[in-house]
Amino acid sequence: NAGVMQNPRHLVRRRGQEARLRCSPMKGHSHVYWYRQLPEEGLKFMVYLQKENIIDESGMPKERFSAEFPKEGPSILRIQQVVRGDSAAYFCASSPAKETQYFGPGTRLLVL
Amino acid sequence: GENVEQHPSTLSVQEGDSAVIKCTYSDSASNYFPWYKQELGKRPQLIIDIRSNVGEKKDQRIAVTLNKTAKHFSLHITETQPEDSAVYFCASTGFQKLVFGTGTRLLVSP
Repeated sequence: NAGVMQNPRHLVRRRGQEARLRCSPMKGHSHVYWYRQLPEEGLKFMVYLQKENIIDESGMPKERFSAEFPKEGPSILRIQQVVRGDSAAYFCASSPAKETQYFGPGTRLLVL
Repeated sequence: GENVEQHPSTLSVQEGDSAVIKCTYSDSASNYFPWYKQELGKRPQLIIDIRSNVGEKKDQRIAVTLNKTAKHFSLHITETQPEDSAVYFCASTGFQKLVFGTGTRLLVSP
C-alpha cells in the first residue's frame, strides 16, 4: 500500500504564474487535507476535502487559492497569480476517517 | 476555534536523558491527540496518538499522557538517542480538522 503521494516535489514559478499541486491519497482514504508550512514554522490548515466535496476551507485565502478532489484522480491545490509570499512547503495528508492523518512528502514552492 | 499551545519551543538534552514536551488545548470537545515527528526537509510522521478515553499510552521509548480536566497532554521520550533529534508537533482535533502546536525542536547531543 503506497503512502500519500505528492507531485511535483519542487516547483519554481515566477510571480503571476499559476501553481498546481497534486496529492494522491493512500488507497482507501477518502479524506484529504492540505497544510502550508513556512520555514521554521508549524503546519497551518488550509482545506479539508472528501471526494467531490469541500468540507472546510476556513484556512484557505479567499482569493487566488482553490482546491478540488474529483471523483477520479488526485486532489489538486491551485494557486493563481502566485506572489513571493506563497513560497512555502505544501503538505497534503489523507485519512480513512476524520482522525489519523498520514502526510505526503510535500511540495516545496518557490516563487521568484 | 481550537487553539493549541506547545512548550518548550526548543529542548536540548544529552543522549540517554528523558525529554518531555507539553501541549495545552482549548476545545473541551477535542477527543484525539496525535504527535508528529518532522526531520529536516521531510514529511511529518505520526509517532503516537491518544484518544480521550485513555489517560496514557506507551510505545517502547515513547509515551503520551492526557489530562482532559486540565486540557493538557504531554509527550515523553526516554533514553533519548541522537536520531530522536527533530521537530515534534502536537495536535488536537478541532471541528473536523487537526490543529497543530507550533512545534518543539529537540536536539539530542551524543
